[in-house]
Amino acid sequence: AQSVAQPEDQVNVAEGNPLTVKCTYSVSGNPYLFWYVQYPNRGLQFLLKYITGDNLVKGSYGFEAEFNKSQTSFHLKKPSALVSDSALYFCAVRDIWSGGGADGLTFGKGTHLIIQP
Amino acid sequence: GAVVSQHPSWVICKSGTSVKIECRSLDFQATTMFWYRQFPKQSLMLMATSNEGSKATYEQGVEKDKFLINHASLTLSTLTVTSAHPEDSSFYICSASKGTGGDEQYFGPGTRLTVT
Repeated sequence: AQSVAQPEDQVNVAEGNPLTVKCTYSVSGNPYLFWYVQYPNRGLQFLLKYITGDNLVKGSYGFEAEFNKSQTSFHLKKPSALVSDSALYFCAVRDIWSGGGADGLTFGKGTHLIIQP
Repeated sequence: GAVVSQHPSWVICKSGTSVKIECRSLDFQATTMFWYRQFPKQSLMLMATSNEGSKATYEQGVEKDKFLINHASLTLSTLTVTSAHPEDSSFYICSASKGTGGDEQYFGPGTRLTVT
């Protein structure tokens, strides 16, 4: 079974400061990892993913995430936060060996990111 | 690009009736579509995976006779909640993927179902 943990329900950051949203995962094999953002009354939007290769992946809106296999983590980061980054962020994982056509994702519970002006 | 729509955005139905939710990929062909359920202040839970022209694969604990999924074309999947009960009230979200494996999923805006 696969699982994702987002240990913080809410993260508060001042505008202009760096931000980190934490995510750890558990899979049987190797993971595909994703970050999505959800704005009020909007569908989840894809930010970035790790499949293979460079551990540091860059995504939309200046976000990046670092895959750390030894710590089974995939933390989301941004060097300088904007007020418009305030939203609900989800980390998700899929075990590449889950097979059976079941490509569905397992999501973390989400982290509310609040950027204060 | 990669826009997914859902219809309706919200629906209220009486207990015992059925309701159908549509999920469409507007500008791409979706090899696979997924249905998730999101409870208030909780994460998304995968209900089922569907591939065009084949039967859906349901997650453990999801009643396939209650949540009927049809994936008639590469751009349309439907979820029918049959004989709905108040406990079926939830936020239902679909997503679509262009491929398999590591391809990202594109999510619809969700459908709020309230069963009275």
